[in-house]
Amino acid sequence: RKEVEQDPGPFNVPEGATVAFNCTYSNSASQSFFWYRQDCRKEPKLLMSVYSSGNEDGRFTAQLNRASQYISLLIRDSKLSDSATYLCVVNMGWQGGKLIFGQGTELSVKP
Amino acid sequence: ETGVTQTPRHLVMGMTNKKSLKCEQHLGHNAMYWYKQSAKKPLELMFVYNFKEQTENNSVPSRFSPECPNSSHLFLHLHTLQPEDSALYLCASSTRTGADTQYFGPGTRLTVL
Repeated sequence: RKEVEQDPGPFNVPEGATVAFNCTYSNSASQSFFWYRQDCRKEPKLLMSVYSSGNEDGRFTAQLNRASQYISLLIRDSKLSDSATYLCVVNMGWQGGKLIFGQGTELSVKP
Repeated sequence: ETGVTQTPRHLVMGMTNKKSLKCEQHLGHNAMYWYKQSAKKPLELMFVYNFKEQTENNSVPSRFSPECPNSSHLFLHLHTLQPEDSALYLCASSTRTGADTQYFGPGTRLTVL
């Protein structure tokens, strides 16, 4: 089983749509969780951290379910500029704090 | 943004060549990392350095040789690579190993002929 697994994608949605990405992780001792964004041919950049209580940043909402080892990212009112690959990332604290990346889910927002 | 820089941005090399990738971070961080990103695969951690000391080698073949002369600079020396080594090589830094946020450089896109 992969350490971090994401929806395969790609997701092709119209502007204004709501889209949700799912991610599961295998190690229950994982410490912290994130979503990174990677634009085409660019480096990954931190989008937001994910907390057990759920957190929101504008149109983006992230949620964590530790019992199910599941992380989600919801994008509301999607914009053309949201087109990118979204990476689910887990900090495996038990391994000295390595970040483990999912394979990414590609999002394409169309006019 | 110039927090983490990498050179060259693109590199084409033959299997018998020797080349080096350079990474420099201007963030005052103490930990630096090399990752490999192949098409349709997750980022693979290659090496970790903390205060210039290598703390992790993720079973990387010896044809990749890292060097960290100080906390701000990281090199990846390449020798007798294979075509399957063609990928995007990303450098990252963080305040310390285990820190939640890593800052990535733009990467070097490597093609091995």
